[in-house]
Amino acid sequence: DVKVTQSSRYLVKRTGEKVFLECVQDMDHENMFWYRQDPGLGLRLIYFSYDVKMKEKGDIPEGYSVSREKKERFSLILESASTNQTSMYLCASSLFESFNQPQHFGDGTRLSIL
Amino acid sequence: ELKVEQNPLFLSMQEGKNYTIYCNYSTTSDRLYWYRQDPGKSLESLFVLLSNGAVKQEGRLMASLDTKARLSTLHITAAVHDLSATYFCAVDKGWNTGNQFYFGTGTSLTVIP
Repeated sequence: DVKVTQSSRYLVKRTGEKVFLECVQDMDHENMFWYRQDPGLGLRLIYFSYDVKMKEKGDIPEGYSVSREKKERFSLILESASTNQTSMYLCASSLFESFNQPQHFGDGTRLSIL
Repeated sequence: ELKVEQNPLFLSMQEGKNYTIYCNYSTTSDRLYWYRQDPGKSLESLFVLLSNGAVKQEGRLMASLDTKARLSTLHITAAVHDLSATYFCAVDKGWNTGNQFYFGTGTSLTVIP
């Protein structure tokens, strides 16, 4: 089974801090994704990556950056955390051009910015 | 911009009853995915629908896809409490997009004993 592991289940940070969320997958997937999930808005794509050192903006990239130095690891960075970034963050992975496979999700990180 | 709309957003139903969740989307796509999310948990893949007319069934859940109407349905038969969860549909954004998905807002289902 595919395993996508997010480093923290819960995280509390202060406004203005630089925040790192880590995600690791063990199935050699090329694609990795970061979403945020908010009530009534579903999942919204922040960034995704289809290869090492490659990144593409999703629908809501403002205030975020990402890093993919190794194939199995995809990091989401909040450069200067703000209260409107309080949310559930979900990481997912999939095979490249896998049009008959779902994305596989981690357990999520619930981030609170105070 | 691709939009994916689910309805209802909230659904409370009694055990033993049948109901259908609808997923409408605004662009041509022949790949649609259904996920389940339990409170505090991650998303679990339920169904992968890859062509017009596709139908998949697992236990009390059956999903179908009509690409011409841009509509997918998730039908619940004789609901039981264990089906209480939030259900999401997701549409593949299309070729050469790196397997990006657009997700619906989710349907929160509560099955009452």
